[in-house]
Amino acid sequence: EVQLVESGGGLVQPGRSLKLSCLASGFTFSNYGMNWIRQAPGKGLEWVASISSSSSYIYYADTVKGRFTISRDNAKNTLYLQMTSLRSEDTALYYCARRGITTFDYWGQGVMVTVSS
Amino acid sequence: DIVMTQGALPNPVPSGESASITCQSSKSLLHSNGKTYLNWYLQRPGQSPQLLIYWMSTRASGVSDRFSGSGSGTDFTLKISSVEAEDVGVYYCQQFLEYPRTFGGGTKLELK
Repeated sequence: EVQLVESGGGLVQPGRSLKLSCLASGFTFSNYGMNWIRQAPGKGLEWVASISSSSSYIYYADTVKGRFTISRDNAKNTLYLQMTSLRSEDTALYYCARRGITTFDYWGQGVMVTVSS
Repeated sequence: DIVMTQGALPNPVPSGESASITCQSSKSLLHSNGKTYLNWYLQRPGQSPQLLIYWMSTRASGVSDRFSGSGSGTDFTLKISSVEAEDVGVYYCQQFLEYPRTFGGGTKLELK
């Protein structure tokens, strides 16, 4: 069974940093591209970043480019999102999602990030 | 960026009736391989989104055949036949043709 478990969220002050993790199991992690997608409270879904299976290709939304860094450790079956210079508008539930054929085919339960003073 | 625009539903929908959700993209999602890179997801209350439909009309594994997708390169419809309680939630269309990946704003389905 595919499982994606996010961790590392919490309350952080504006301008500070936070690093999210997503532990994958139930599939060969190193064979799949991975993604971060977020959802602000009461709002819709916003794609944040994608990374290919070997980390060769990385893409970011303009809203986080230069502040967030997606990475992965295939030996640890773990996806990361390093978030710096956090803003109030980054407050959201952050989902880790696996790339399917041309889809986000499996999603984690999400981890909440709250940026507030 | 490709903008995805979803229509609203005339909520609530009576149980057993059909419901159709529309989605428009600002650019054709038809890939050169002949497939249309349009996905549909359902987010039930308090849950993570789940994949329903990909390539505009292909049901994901385990998805009920009450769900069907159709459309052209820019105009899409998700039809739910005989709506049930488990169909309640917010439906999102999403394009996978280009980066940035973009979602529609969501369409809420409520049951009568």
